[in-house]
Amino acid sequence: DTEVTQTPKHLVMGMTNKKSLKCEQHMGHRAMYWYKQKAKKPPELMFVYSYEKLSINESVPSRFSPECPNSSLLNLHLHALQPEDSALYLCASSQDRGNRPYEQYFGPGTRLTVT
Amino acid sequence: DAKTTQPNSMESNEEEPVHLPCNHSTISGTDYIHWYRQLPSQGPEYVIHGLTSNVNNRMASLAIAEDRKSSTLILHRATLRDAAVYYCILRDFRNTDKLIFGTGTRLQVFP
Repeated sequence: DTEVTQTPKHLVMGMTNKKSLKCEQHMGHRAMYWYKQKAKKPPELMFVYSYEKLSINESVPSRFSPECPNSSLLNLHLHALQPEDSALYLCASSQDRGNRPYEQYFGPGTRLTVT
Repeated sequence: DAKTTQPNSMESNEEEPVHLPCNHSTISGTDYIHWYRQLPSQGPEYVIHGLTSNVNNRMASLAIAEDRKSSTLILHRATLRDAAVYYCILRDFRNTDKLIFGTGTRLQVFP
């Protein structure tokens, strides 16, 4: 099973709402990632978790709060978002960190619209 | 992070070979060359990677220039399913967590 699943597929939320995006993988990968992709632009790295600990935060605003409850799950909690945060949010996973260029497996993404 | 330059778009006919170029003149000795592609309405998908030597796998071939300042992704027989945005990415093996995507090449395949 080389699948990364993401729920929900689509999400519409108001600026005062709190919502969460969920990502799951069962490949035994110990690194997990959140990316943001605006329309017709390349994906941009947001966060990296390694062995369930946050290792990289690419200066993401605090209204985005990641969480890694266990090695298979990655959440992104959303609060007080702005319309410009509307985008496709992609989750990815890969084998251990280190100096090996392990490929990243991406999920299909959650398309978020903030109204 | 080292930068890559790719053409914005390319076209091909089905069953013909496709050569997708990438320039990376500022590549360092610790950078791997990775290629990912993103089909419409999907997340990116790993294609191939290399360091110095040419590489082949079931999806594609990667030809790396001797000075490593450029590389070419080769799809041997394009199919309609290969229509996607292809990203050439330099990945420092000292910090392999980061995939910094460039603007990519949008490949159109015609029947």
